[in-house]
Amino acid sequence: DIQMTQSPSSLSASVGDRVTITCQASQDISNYLNWYQQKPGKAPKLLIYDASNLETGVPSRFSGSGSGTDFTFTISSLQPEDIATYYCQQYYNLPLTFGGGTKVEIK
Amino acid sequence: EVQLVESGGGVVRPGGSLRLSCAASGFTFDDYGMSWVRQAPGKGLEWVSGMNWNGGSIGYADSVKGRFTISRDNAKNSLYLQMNSLRAEDTALYYCARDLTAMTETVEKFQHWGQGTLVTVSS
Repeated sequence: DIQMTQSPSSLSASVGDRVTITCQASQDISNYLNWYQQKPGKAPKLLIYDASNLETGVPSRFSGSGSGTDFTFTISSLQPEDIATYYCQQYYNLPLTFGGGTKVEIK
Repeated sequence: EVQLVESGGGVVRPGGSLRLSCAASGFTFDDYGMSWVRQAPGKGLEWVSGMNWNGGSIGYADSVKGRFTISRDNAKNSLYLQMNSLRAEDTALYYCARDLTAMTETVEKFQHWGQGTLVTVSS
């Protein structure tokens, strides 16, 4: 199985800050990588697919990059409504696997 | 509007069985891969099982392989998860999720999610 390692597991930043989360795969997964946002008590929401494609309706302050084993998710200017936990997920191989999540809080 | 409504959760003793259902509407169910994703209390997301649009690709997490079986009934626009030999570690909120893209070779990325059904395994 492909292991997905996310870091950090949590972070605290100020409104307007640039926030970066990394995700590392245990093997080459090309660009078969998605990012989700989950707010407390809610179902996850797809933000980025295929490593860098923004899902329809998602604000442009969210972006993703990377290929192979190393991926980055960025919020260019953190907003109060971005408080959530973010997960990466690979679909290069079954079983599909998620990273452990990054909890983003406001400082 | 796409809607996914899970049902069938509840409290069950270790070793017991449950069958989860996901009723889909607002899209052509036959055309999309579907998955079950779970989340234990206070924990992260875990993909449990998925089936592509035509049933040609089915997968399971190692943690449930041999105990859980996914199926779909396109005539009823429904996805199912038969869960046998349940363990305490299967306690979680179980989400049904639909793929972003129609007619893919395997399940890939989850665009639509239900609100989940809670499964509690406890004696």
